[in-house]
Amino acid sequence: DQQVKQNSPSLSVQEGRISILNCDYTNSMFDYFLWYKKYPAEGPTFLISISSIKDKNEDGRFTVFLNKSAKHLSLHIVPSQPGDSAVYFCAASEGTSYGKLTFGQGTILTVHP
Amino acid sequence: GAVVSQHPSWVICKSGTSVKIECRSLDFQATTMFWYRQFPKQSLMLMATSNEGSKATYEQGVEKDKFLINHASLTLSTLTVTSAHPEDSSFYICSAPLNRNEQFFGPGTRLTVL
Repeated sequence: DQQVKQNSPSLSVQEGRISILNCDYTNSMFDYFLWYKKYPAEGPTFLISISSIKDKNEDGRFTVFLNKSAKHLSLHIVPSQPGDSAVYFCAASEGTSYGKLTFGQGTILTVHP
Repeated sequence: GAVVSQHPSWVICKSGTSVKIECRSLDFQATTMFWYRQFPKQSLMLMATSNEGSKATYEQGVEKDKFLINHASLTLSTLTVTSAHPEDSSFYICSAPLNRNEQFFGPGTRLTVL
């Protein structure tokens, strides 16, 4: 049972344009969401997070939007840069499960110069 | 940010042998650490929660006798894959939370069982 889903396995965008990565979840107990960037054979690197009490969080070029009623979140990267090319995972956690993360399948982002 | 290390970064072993992977939090103490496994082109799947001073908590479907976890100190957790088989070949990643909202991952260990 995949509780966190990233339905797009890959996304290709032009440098300078916006990248939008999507994530859906089914567990209504999730109350904290995170986005990680990962390169092959390396551990994930934290990008940005959002609590369920918010609907938007922004950090530089990265913005995460949360739509609780739709159980949907998205990561916007603008402007996209070639160095952003990587696999992006969304992850979710419940308040009662300290630090325990459920990951989506990941989306491969390729930013073309 | 905080640093989590893993050793070794890659290991090749023969079927039937045991392999130990270490996970260390270098600049903070972690009473809890997590072990994940990632198969090629798949998600990170949580295997178990490592608890300092007590038994690990395993996720459903993960054999505790096969994947032995020892959280010996506040900065070290070890995962031992016992009697490894080719289907255990995977990328193993540990993580340590600094707090509920900040969790740091190790660089991962690539295990190949021949």
